Amino acid sequence: EAGVTQFPSHSVIEKGQTVTLRCDPISGHDNLYWYRRVMGKEIKFLLHFVKESKQDESGMPNNRFLAERTGGTYSTLKVQPAELEDSGVYFCASSRVAGELFFGEGSRLTVL
Amino acid sequence: GEDVEQSLFLSVREGDSSVINCTYTDSSSTYLYWYKQEPGAGLQLLTYIFSNMDMKQDQRLTVLLNKKDKHLSLRIADTQTGDSAIYFCAEIPGNYGQNFVFGPGTRLSVLP
Repeated sequence: EAGVTQFPSHSVIEKGQTVTLRCDPISGHDNLYWYRRVMGKEIKFLLHFVKESKQDESGMPNNRFLAERTGGTYSTLKVQPAELEDSGVYFCASSRVAGELFFGEGSRLTVL
Repeated sequence: GEDVEQSLFLSVREGDSSVINCTYTDSSSTYLYWYKQEPGAGLQLLTYIFSNMDMKQDQRLTVLLNKKDKHLSLRIADTQTGDSAIYFCAEIPGNYGQNFVFGPGTRLSVLP
């Protein structure tokens, strides 16, 4: 069974540009989460999808971040326009049941 | 907000035991977790413990939970160089739905 996959593994962009990160959850997992670790600090929750619906987006930092999960399969996280403080590692996770998260390898974002 | 605290660094000699400590804040957390992140890799679930347990052992790993002090520890017996990684403690606070709250991670260095 394939795990959670994320793309790209590393993206380097300039301040003001746009980046879109993609996450493919484990097949059959209705729950999909985005987390991020900025500047080596704590891993912080961003949002949670149940199928295509946003269950909780309380962790989204501001309106420059837009997450979608059309059709309830893969999800994208767009940052537009990117700022320097957005640099970090963005993790995606999926689960079938509560409390059992499987994480991807993360997408490292560097904003210059 | 909820805070999970860990010491940031730990160095041990190969063959010794490692003990990584964590304190959490929400006494209503049902599950407490340990995740491992190796260099360049994603977050790997190592083990978890239910809040009604005080100890769980899994091969070289022993998790101890002190609910009164809200203290969680991970002991790795016979530490190997392959155990070098960042170890994250995480909880699901009672009022946070399914959202994990992570500690800052403890970087374990295993010296030959």
